[in-house]
Amino acid sequence: GESVGLHLPTLSVQEGDNSIINCAYSNSASDYFIWYKQESGKGPQFIIDIRSNMDKRQGQRVTVLLNKTVKHLSLQIAATQPGDSAVYFCAERRGTYKYIFGTGTRLKVLA
Amino acid sequence: GAVVSQHPSWVICKSGTSVKIECRSLDFQATTMFWYRQFPKQSLMLMATSNEGSKATYEQGVEKDKFLINHASLTLSTLTVTSAHPEDSSFYICSAPPAANEQFFGPGTRLTVL
Repeated sequence: GESVGLHLPTLSVQEGDNSIINCAYSNSASDYFIWYKQESGKGPQFIIDIRSNMDKRQGQRVTVLLNKTVKHLSLQIAATQPGDSAVYFCAERRGTYKYIFGTGTRLKVLA
Repeated sequence: GAVVSQHPSWVICKSGTSVKIECRSLDFQATTMFWYRQFPKQSLMLMATSNEGSKATYEQGVEKDKFLINHASLTLSTLTVTSAHPEDSSFYICSAPPAANEQFFGPGTRLTVL
């Protein structure tokens, strides 16, 4: 079946460096994507979103890139901080409210 | 932003008992809420869509008689795990959309079945 998946299960990054987390999706009809951050024992928190008619969107220290040709999403975190340590999920919207989550990548920030 | 709460935050129960988990939207109304299950070090798997005033819609492979969902009001959905077994132990998370492009998640409920 169709799914949203991630390439790397764990990413270790030195504090202050930039982080790039990747996600592949398979439903070419998806029109909206979201990145979520989940800290241990908590629910996911919205980070940034992007519509399929865009290829880049920037927030505070975060940028999402969308490549529809290869069905690939990435989340870039600038100047990674210890507080960024968490699991990051991409999600794909199916229908008006339904979201399908990718596998997840654990980001470890090294001091 | 919008707030979604869950209760309890954690629960331990004996095998064979039923457990009810509540999901509330605190500052907005939600005609639709979603229930997810998350096993350790895994992603969130959508279990069902809770619809206010009508039956829930379950994802393929999710037993509707095992996971009873009731969307009693515009701010409350409940998930009851019936006759719980150790394999039902998981982190259960709900979400609710204040608007079409928004989805807020509850803090999750950790269920441990002994």
